[in-house]
Amino acid sequence: GQNIDQPTEMTATEGAIVQINCTYQTSGFNGLFWYQQHAGEAPTFLSYNVLDGLEEKGRFSSFLSRSKGYSYLLLKELQMKDSASYLCAAMDSNYQLIWGAGTKLIIKP
Amino acid sequence: IAGITQAPTSQILAAGRRMTLRCTQDMRHNAMYWYRQDLGLGLRLIHYSNTAGTTGKGEVPDGYSVSRANTDDFPLTLASAVPSQTSVYFCASSATLGRGPDTQYFGPGTRLTVL
Repeated sequence: GQNIDQPTEMTATEGAIVQINCTYQTSGFNGLFWYQQHAGEAPTFLSYNVLDGLEEKGRFSSFLSRSKGYSYLLLKELQMKDSASYLCAAMDSNYQLIWGAGTKLIIKP
Repeated sequence: IAGITQAPTSQILAAGRRMTLRCTQDMRHNAMYWYRQDLGLGLRLIHYSNTAGTTGKGEVPDGYSVSRANTDDFPLTLASAVPSQTSVYFCASSATLGRGPDTQYFGPGTRLTVL
């Protein structure tokens, strides 16, 4: 079957760095997406990886290892506004997204 | 308008009633999607449409129907609502014909409670 695993909740301190891990199993693979979702709001796109390696975009970076079925989202210089849920989604061979349940990130001052 | 709009924002519905959730996008995207989001679960695809005039079933289609008469609109209908359909419903769209790794953009969601 198809499956996405990510931690349910993480806590970090303002100004610090946090890494949110995601493992996936899909029928075929056409890339890995990360979305941010603030409470009561819609998911918004953060990053897309289809090749192995690290993609950096400002304070956020995303890494992919296709051979390990593994990705992580790295958030640097954490700000209070980064408190949100982070959703990992893998695109399968039919170009459908398989979603993880999300990681709720709590930022403490 | 810019992006995707959904209506209503929230709704409380008696079980057995019929309900249509509306979704409109102005980005001229070809593909549109309906998801439900429940606590502790990932977004689950209900139905999708790769282009106007075509629709397909997602992971959890039972109890729901959709239509795609034109590019902009993609309504979701619950023919006879049941309490298990209590959820937050998100409409999304992407530029491609659903056959490429394109980013999906989401509407603000509809919070539906079925009593």
